[in-house]
Amino acid sequence: AQKVTQAQTEISVVEKEDVTLDCVYETRDTTYYLFWYKQPPSGELVFLIRRNSFDEQNEISGRYSWNFQKSTSSFNFTITASQVVDSAVYFCALSESWSNYQLIWGAGTKLIIKP
Amino acid sequence: EAQVTQNPRYLITVTGKKLTVTCSQNMNHEYMSWYRQDPGLGLRQIYYSMNVEVTDKGDVPEGYKVSRKEKRNFPLILESPSPNQTSLYFCASSGRTDTQYFGPGTRLTVL
Repeated sequence: AQKVTQAQTEISVVEKEDVTLDCVYETRDTTYYLFWYKQPPSGELVFLIRRNSFDEQNEISGRYSWNFQKSTSSFNFTITASQVVDSAVYFCALSESWSNYQLIWGAGTKLIIKP
Repeated sequence: EAQVTQNPRYLITVTGKKLTVTCSQNMNHEYMSWYRQDPGLGLRQIYYSMNVEVTDKGDVPEGYKVSRKEKRNFPLILESPSPNQTSLYFCASSGRTDTQYFGPGTRLTVL
């Protein structure tokens, strides 16, 4: 069965600290996709990244970076030099379909950045 | 502008009063889905559609209906809403290899 676990319910850090959000997934498929979404206090879902199971290269986008490790079934997300605007709920999700129309979501991690 | 729209954005209703939440996309996407978001549970898929007149149940379909008569529209129908359907609802659409585009969400309260 597919499952996504975000064990950290809430994380609170002071601005400019680095923070890592953990995501562990379960799937029997060899082809799958992993996602991160951000949900700011306004409520909309903001797509951050999609990674397929054949691409284990780490990704960096500005202050954001993602570490995909198939050996540990993890897809962790790090924010470097956090800012107050990074405060949000972050979701990790898994899709086993090429078309990505069915997503299995983690419970989310609420990130609080204090000034 | 490519977008998914949902209406209404906020709705307070009473138990048993039928309601429809509309969803429309302007990207000619084949796939559309409805999710509900509840605290501590993330998002859970209610129904999805792979094309016009093709719909299927997701993980939590009980108490909901959908229809896909046109490619752009995918309404969510609650025939007899109950308080346990109080939630934040998201509609999403995607093409064959796209990631999903999400609507802004509909916050529903059933009293």
